[in-house]
Amino acid sequence: QSVLTQPPSASGTPGQWVSISCSGSTSNIGSMYVYWFQQLPGTAPKVVIYNNNQRPSGVPDRFSGSKSGTSASLAISGLRSEDEADYYCAAWDGSLNSWVFGGGTKVTVL
Amino acid sequence: QVQLAESGGGVVQPGRSLRLSCAASGFTLSNYGIHWVRQAPGKGLEWVAGISFDGGDIYYADSVKGRFTISRDNSKNTVSLEMNSLRIEDTAVYYCANAAQRGMATIEFEYWGQGALVSVSS
Repeated sequence: QSVLTQPPSASGTPGQWVSISCSGSTSNIGSMYVYWFQQLPGTAPKVVIYNNNQRPSGVPDRFSGSKSGTSASLAISGLRSEDEADYYCAAWDGSLNSWVFGGGTKVTVL
Repeated sequence: QVQLAESGGGVVQPGRSLRLSCAASGFTLSNYGIHWVRQAPGKGLEWVAGISFDGGDIYYADSVKGRFTISRDNSKNTVSLEMNSLRIEDTAVYYCANAAQRGMATIEFEYWGQGALVSVSS
């Protein structure tokens, strides 16, 4: 049972917009920065959003992040086949004194 | 080119110990904190432990507290994860990733190693 809650799956056709939610609490998302990771099969995770809504260099602007209260979202616009991957949210938890991850969402491009 | 590399993975019996190491190239490891994150087969990511650039701040997940010890030797440019009293449920790929940089805004988890497989089995 993950501290952060994500839907197990999401899907869309090429060109569509997909959104993934991440629900937490006041001790993590509600008061800390949220990170989002993309993990392709057999590879290490890659950060696509940090500090709630910032994109690292090289991450397409099709990826965007937002946060409101104790929930965060990752949106992918103009969905492409290479976006098919597992996506995880994460945040520092000030009560647990540890980083916590969501259970992951598998994005399928139909 | 920044690279992290884990070593020390392998097969171990329950109750035994194993030590993982994380080495860096392309940047000065002593300027960065380091996270250990694991992923059990077919499962999601789980943060395991973290250490600050100078070793002054150390944190553990509850699932490993009292069994795992994270440490660093900046003279050797390495960070280690000593895993004791291993359990079957500790079986996972273990990744090291960067944490905050000394005195500078940092994208944590920007750099990852390729992972080291730890298999706990009798």
